[in-house]
Formats: sequence, structure tokens, C-alpha cells
Amino acid sequence: DQQVKQNSPSLSVQEGRISILNCDYTNSMFDYFLWYKKYPAEGPTFLISISSIKDKNEDGRFTVFLNKSAKHLSLHIVPSQPGDSAVYFCAASAPGHSGYALNFGKGTSLLVTP
Amino acid sequence: DTAVSQTPKYLVTQMGNDKSIKCEQNLGHDTMYWYKQDSKKFLKIMFSYNNKELIINETVPNRFSPKSPDKAHLNLHINSLELGDSAVYFCASSPRGGEKLFFGSGTQLSVL
Repeated sequence: DQQVKQNSPSLSVQEGRISILNCDYTNSMFDYFLWYKKYPAEGPTFLISISSIKDKNEDGRFTVFLNKSAKHLSLHIVPSQPGDSAVYFCAASAPGHSGYALNFGKGTSLLVTP
Repeated sequence: DTAVSQTPKYLVTQMGNDKSIKCEQNLGHDTMYWYKQDSKKFLKIMFSYNNKELIINETVPNRFSPKSPDKAHLNLHINSLELGDSAVYFCASSPRGGEKLFFGSGTQLSVL
């Protein structure tokens, strides 16, 4: 039962353009959302997060948007750089849900071309 | 100075063997986790420990047994390995449950 879904397995964007990665969730109890970035043969690393009391959080080139009514969040990267090429995982947690463990989507592989 | 370290990085073994993966974190976190990334790249929680106490035990075969000797360590022992156990296993930690996780670099387990 996958509660966090990333329906685009891959995305290709030109350097300098905006990358938009999407994530949908089904559990309305989720109140904390995160994006992780993963390079091959490495563990996922935290990128940015957002609490359900907000609808936007920005950190440099990275912005996460949350639409609670649609149960949808997105990660915007602008401008995209070749070093951003990686797999991006969306994750969510809910109080009391699986002991607060993060639930992950399947990831979207982003390729930023020069 | 690696925050979450797990060993070995690669593990190739025969079906039926017993193996262990070790994990240590030097972040002073209270909560540690084991995640499994299968061939479909899906990261799925297996276990969670808080201060050496088991919090989560998802539907994982009882051939998998986590051991937490202290809150900085969470090892994973797997008995009678099966082909379907082949995956990448990630250890992670967080200050408390529900907060952002810090991951180790993963252990690629291949069962032949």
C-alpha cells in the first residue's frame, strides 16, 4: 500500500531551466514532507522539507510547494544545474503512523543536460 | 567523519547463509532505522529503534533480526538468506521519530 507516489520515473531538463518534480500522497494524516536527493552508490541526503502548516518553503535554488487539498507537493529547482542530476525521493510522515518513520515514494530520476 | 556508517558496503553470499550488517551513528540521535530498497527502487521501512527499544517492525520475515546494543548502533542479522533478500539496505538515524533522517551509504546485498 503505497501512500506516497511519484508518478514520473524520470525527467530531463536543460541546464538553466526549471525542474519540477511532483509527488502525491494518500494519507491525510501526513503532516511533514521532505525531499531527498540520491546519487548512485550513496545514501539519500536531505534536501528540503515542509510542514503541513505551510504551503511553501524555499532554500536557495530549491522550493517546495504543498497543496494539502490536492494532497500534492512539488519540488522546483531553478536554475537547474548538471550537478542536480540524481534521483529525488519524496517522503512524508504522520504522528503515530509507523512510529513516525518516513514513507518514501519510488523516486524520480532527474537528468540535467548542458 | 562519517555521521552514519554501515558495513559492509557490498555483501555477496549464497542462499541459506546467515549474514550481518552493522550500523553506527555518531550524531547522538535517539532513533535508528533500517530501510530496504528493492529492485523497484522503493525505499521501505523495515525496523525502527528508539533508545534501543524496538518501535516499528513492519511485515518483515522473522529471519531478519535487528539488534541494538546501544543507541548509537543498530545491526541487522539475516538468517537463511533467500534470493528475494537481494536489495540495498540502508541504515538511518534521526534525532527523534518523524524528523529528517540521515542515511548511511547502503549495503548492496546479493544472494546467489
